[in-house]
Amino acid sequence: EPEVTQTPSHQVTQMGQEVILRCVPISNHLYFYWYRQILGQKVEFLVSFYNNEISEKSEIFDDQFSVERPDGSNFTLKIRSTKLEDSAMYFCASNGQIQETQYFGPGTRLLVL
Amino acid sequence: AQSVTQLGSHVSVSEGALVLLRCNYSSSVPPYLFWYVQYPNQGLQLLLKYTSAATLVKGINGFEAEFKKSETSFHLTKPSAHMSDAAEYFCAVSGTGSARQLTFGSGTQLTVLP
Repeated sequence: EPEVTQTPSHQVTQMGQEVILRCVPISNHLYFYWYRQILGQKVEFLVSFYNNEISEKSEIFDDQFSVERPDGSNFTLKIRSTKLEDSAMYFCASNGQIQETQYFGPGTRLLVL
Repeated sequence: AQSVTQLGSHVSVSEGALVLLRCNYSSSVPPYLFWYVQYPNQGLQLLLKYTSAATLVKGINGFEAEFKKSETSFHLTKPSAHMSDAAEYFCAVSGTGSARQLTFGSGTQLTVLP
């Protein structure tokens, strides 16, 4: 069964460093999403991406964040200068049509020291 | 604007007992509603979804949920809990227009006691 994959599963970084989280959505999907879950809190929407551009973003998704689909398979989330409060589990999701179920990856646990 | 409230951050049931996880939503547009399950160290897996068809929705692993517009609720139930049901459960809502991002509740950790 096709699945969304994410790498790395865990990442530890120093405050102020740049990180790139990688996702490989399901191959024929067209809509891509990033969510995050701070420990003990809700899963929160960050950004959605379609046709090589951001379609929606939340207030969390400020100038420190960017997304990119550098090739036909990867979908990345970059945090330019990490802060302590960026420590969270980051989930990638995708769907084929906007009304369809979003399929989630296993997440990347980011720890900023 | 949309929001979801899950009553009870932790629910414990005995094996074989009824599972009831509560979810209430707020939405300015007709919603789509979802229940996802998260097992330890795994991603979010869809249990079931309501997309304005039948109000009683059946999902995987014997779970079902009923959409009640008058109560703005979408509670998740399972007649008989199994040990393997122990996990965290998230209720989520999305709009039905061009913006389909999910808004999640805070989750309910289900413990199944032997």
